Amino acid sequence: KAGVTQTPRYLIKTRGQQVTLSCSPISGHRSVSWYQQTPGQGLQFLFEYFSETQRNKGNFPGRFSGRQFSNSRSEMNVSTLELGDSALYLCASSLDRWDEQYFGPGTRLTVT
Amino acid sequence: AQKVTQAQTEISVVEKEDVTLDCVYETRDTTYYLFWYKQPPSGELVFLIRRNSFDEQNEISGRYSWNFQKSTSSFNFTITASQVVDSAVYFCALSGGNGGSQGNLIFGKGTKLSVKP
Repeated sequence: KAGVTQTPRYLIKTRGQQVTLSCSPISGHRSVSWYQQTPGQGLQFLFEYFSETQRNKGNFPGRFSGRQFSNSRSEMNVSTLELGDSALYLCASSLDRWDEQYFGPGTRLTVT
Repeated sequence: AQKVTQAQTEISVVEKEDVTLDCVYETRDTTYYLFWYKQPPSGELVFLIRRNSFDEQNEISGRYSWNFQKSTSSFNFTITASQVVDSAVYFCALSGGNGGSQGNLIFGKGTKLSVKP
């Protein structure tokens, strides 16, 4: 069974631009969550989606948004990029909201 | 507020030594889950174990073992006879409430384990 896939794997953007990251969950998994990992703040929860609905949101500004499609694939968008948004963005999927999460390889975003 | 503390930032051991990674958590939920993940240099988080708050039984899986103690709010992880391939950053995590929903994990800062030959 294929794991969680994330595209692109690496991305370089300029301050002020926007970016969209994509996540394809493990086949059959309906829950997708996103996390941001930085050296300073560590791993922080961004969003949780289940059945195309956002179930939970972390403490991030409104520039961070996401969505989930009917096939459970998910995207997250960051508008008006800031230097501090440089991070590894990890997507995780689980069968249901009450199951353990499996993580993808991440998208490394660099904002210059 | 929910919180996970991994007091050990870095640990260095020599191959074949046993090593214990500490994890202390805070939560007011009665139903919660605890996890350990491994992050090798490649960056992908690898799921190791999940325990629910009602099951304090210790678990052993090969060279790995976990000790869950609600009385001290701890969920420690021991690697027996460590190997170079165990070198990684290890994260302890707590489910973020919502009746045990696991889509919102609260992570500790991680412990970087270096196993030298």
